[in-house]
Amino acid sequence: DIQLTQSPSFLSASVGDRVTITCRASQGISNYLAWYQQKPGKAPKLLIYAASTLQSGVPSRFSGSGSGTEFTLTISSLQPEDFASYYCQQLNSHLPTFGQGTRLEIK
Amino acid sequence: EVQLVESGGGLVQPGGSLRLSCAASGFTFGNYAMSWVRQAPGKGLEWVSGISGSRGDTYYGDSVRGRFTISRDNSKNTLYLEMNSLRAEDTAKYYCAKGYRWSYLFDSWGQGTLVTVSS
Repeated sequence: DIQLTQSPSFLSASVGDRVTITCRASQGISNYLAWYQQKPGKAPKLLIYAASTLQSGVPSRFSGSGSGTEFTLTISSLQPEDFASYYCQQLNSHLPTFGQGTRLEIK
Repeated sequence: EVQLVESGGGLVQPGGSLRLSCAASGFTFGNYAMSWVRQAPGKGLEWVSGISGSRGDTYYGDSVRGRFTISRDNSKNTLYLEMNSLRAEDTAKYYCAKGYRWSYLFDSWGQGTLVTVSS
């Protein structure tokens, strides 16, 4: 199985901050990586796929990069509605896996 | 508008069975792979099982293989998950999710149905 490790697991930041979340894969997955946002009590929402392609309707302050084993999700200027949990997901096999999540909270 | 509505969750004893359903609308159901993803209380996301669109090829996570069965009825636009030999660690909210571009890229999710395995 391909393991994904996100860092940090918890992040405290302020509105307007630039934040970066990292996702590392246990083996190369090319660009078969997606990022999701989940708010409490809600289903996850697709933000980015193919490592760097922004899903339709997602604000441009979100961006993704990386290939192979290391990936990043960056929020350029945090807005109040961005405080949530974020998960990376690899789609490189018929056994997709998620990272353990990063909880982003207001400082 | 895509809608996915899960049902069938509830309280079940260890060793018991449960069948989840996911009613889909707003898209051509048979053209898309579908999956079940679960989330234990306070924990992260875990992919459980997936099924291709037309051929119905099925895939399972290691923790449920041999106990859970995914199926679909394209004439009824419905996805199913038959869960047998349930364990306490299967307790979670179960989401159905629609594949997008790639089978396991999920652009639409249901609201989830809660399964609690406890005596």
